[in-house]
Amino acid sequence: AQKVTQAQTEISVVEKEDVTLDCVYETRDTTYYLFWYKQPPSGELVFLIRRNSFDEQNEISGRYSWNFQKSTSSFNFTITASQVVDSAVYFCALSPAAYNFNKFYFGSGTKLNVKP
Amino acid sequence: DGGITQSPKYLFRKEGQNVTLSCEQNLNHDAMYWYRQDPGQGLRLIYYSQIVNDFQKGDIAEGYSVSREKKESFPLTVTSAQKNPTAFYLCASGGFDSTSTDTQYFGPGTRLTVL
Repeated sequence: AQKVTQAQTEISVVEKEDVTLDCVYETRDTTYYLFWYKQPPSGELVFLIRRNSFDEQNEISGRYSWNFQKSTSSFNFTITASQVVDSAVYFCALSPAAYNFNKFYFGSGTKLNVKP
Repeated sequence: DGGITQSPKYLFRKEGQNVTLSCEQNLNHDAMYWYRQDPGQGLRLIYYSQIVNDFQKGDIAEGYSVSREKKESFPLTVTSAQKNPTAFYLCASGGFDSTSTDTQYFGPGTRLTVL
């Protein structure tokens, strides 16, 4: 079974706080890809990061960082020094490589509210 | 600019009508996808197409139809058979180029409301 769980439905923080969005996935495939997308109020999903299952190195991009741990099947996303513009719904997604097409399994999303 | 466009942004439909949502991409991607998003939920796959003149049903295809006559275009028709079509519809495309294997890129979406 393929599944992505984002247990945090909604998080509220005050600007400049750090916040971590959790993502736990289930798959029996050994090769797969994990993604994070941001959906601002305008609605468009914006691609943030793609990680394959063989690369467990953490990644940092400006204020964003991602922690991939295969041992716990987690791919968590941290925003450092949050800003109001970070307010959005964030989706984690899993794409097993075994399929003959690029099927994505999305979590239900975490709504982040950053208050000034 | 390369990207995905969807039109219209907002669409209102009377019960019993078919409506067609447009999706165009100029990213030279082979694969295109349609998703439905309901409030507070994740995305569910309606249809996908890996090449021109070929498409497959996703998880919730009933009441929808698609065509793929051109690589750039993947229109979605919401038919009168779809019992609860009010939702936000997102189109995506994906390619297998050297920098973005398996990544899907999304359009701005169409919000459909049944009156």
